[in-house]
Amino acid sequence: QKEVEQNSGPLSVPEGAIASLNCTYSDRGSQSFFWYRQYSGKSPELIMSIYSNGDKEDGRFTAQLNKASQYVSLLIRDSQPSDSATYLCAVKWNYGQNFVFGPGTRLSVLP
Amino acid sequence: DAGVIQSPRHEVTEMGQEVTLRCKPISGHNSLFWYRQTMMRGLELLIYFNNNVPIDDSGMPEDRFSAKMPNASFSTLKIQPSEPRDSAVYFCASSFRDRGQETQYFGPGTRLLVL
Repeated sequence: QKEVEQNSGPLSVPEGAIASLNCTYSDRGSQSFFWYRQYSGKSPELIMSIYSNGDKEDGRFTAQLNKASQYVSLLIRDSQPSDSATYLCAVKWNYGQNFVFGPGTRLSVLP
Repeated sequence: DAGVIQSPRHEVTEMGQEVTLRCKPISGHNSLFWYRQTMMRGLELLIYFNNNVPIDDSGMPEDRFSAKMPNASFSTLKIQPSEPRDSAVYFCASSFRDRGQETQYFGPGTRLLVL
């Protein structure tokens, strides 16, 4: 059974701080990892993908992957109130073609 | 590109009625996914297609649900008969594989309310 786990939150951070979102997954052999942002009433929007161990930076976002620990995280620097949303972690395994999503972490950035 | 297109955006129906949701994937994408999202269960994969062929429908709740993809640019998800517990947001997503990496993009969703 492939599982993806996230802390449901809410995670509250003050404006300008670093928000750290974490995700663990249950099975090795995973290939691709994704972070989606979902505003209330909207569809998930892809913000980051990462495929190899280490860090990947894109603007204020940094994804970190550690396959040995089965752990992927998303850091948001200089958090803004507009970053307040639910962040979904998704994992795609080497075998099969389906994506498995975590339950999401609700982030609240306080002005 | 217009992105993934879904219709209708909102649907209100009565229990027992047939509901058909439609999806047009992004041109050139060869995989299509149907998801259901509720507060209680989160985002659940119902079925996905690759090159128009259903690959895994293990997430389809029961026989009342069926999905088709007659060609690369169109898919339907049908619920017959509908029940109040089917009320949810239904998302369609499509993906493509580029140099071994695959990225999935979501449509705006269909909000279904079954009374």
